[in-house]
Amino acid sequence: AQSVTQLDSHVSVSEGTPVLLRCNYSSSYSPSLFWYVQHPNKGLQLLLKYTSAATLVKGINGFEAEFKKSETSFHLTKPSAHMSDAAEYFCVVTLMTTDSWGKLQFGAGTQVVVTP
Amino acid sequence: EAQVTQNPRYLITVTGKKLTVTCSQNMNHEYMSWYRQDPGLGLRQIYYSMNVEVTDKGDVPEGYKVSRKEKRNFPLILESPSPNQTSLYFCASSVIGSNQPQHFGDGTRLSIL
Repeated sequence: AQSVTQLDSHVSVSEGTPVLLRCNYSSSYSPSLFWYVQHPNKGLQLLLKYTSAATLVKGINGFEAEFKKSETSFHLTKPSAHMSDAAEYFCVVTLMTTDSWGKLQFGAGTQVVVTP
Repeated sequence: EAQVTQNPRYLITVTGKKLTVTCSQNMNHEYMSWYRQDPGLGLRQIYYSMNVEVTDKGDVPEGYKVSRKEKRNFPLILESPSPNQTSLYFCASSVIGSNQPQHFGDGTRLSIL
């Protein structure tokens, strides 16, 4: 079975300091992984995706994520947080097994608070 | 502008009164999907569709129906809404493929009294 676990429900950082959002997945095959961001009263916006071409993936707004197969992790980082990064972030895996082709599984989300 | 449009954005209604939430995309995407978002649970998939007349259940399909008569539209139907269906709903679409990102609508907040 596939699953996604976001290890932190809330993360608080100061503006200008690094951000780390942790995501672990379980999958019996090489997964497709995504990070999305949701600002208040908005839909989800794609930050980046892992496509197996490179383990370090760069996304929009200075975010990047590293796929580590040995640790089954896909953690999201940003070197310097900005006030506009305050939002909820979701780690997502696409299920591609025979009986669940096309299903997406979302982590529970990590709420990021940025303080001045 | 490429977009996924949901209507209504907000709805308060009563138990048992049938309602439909519409979803339309202008990107000619084959794949469309409905999710509900509840605090602490992230997004859970209700139904998805790979193409016209092809739909399948997600993780929480009970109490919902969908149809896909045209490629651009994927309405979500609650035949007899109940309070436990009070939630924030999102429609999304994408090109078919395991690494294709979803394009999300802005959400519909439903309150069932």
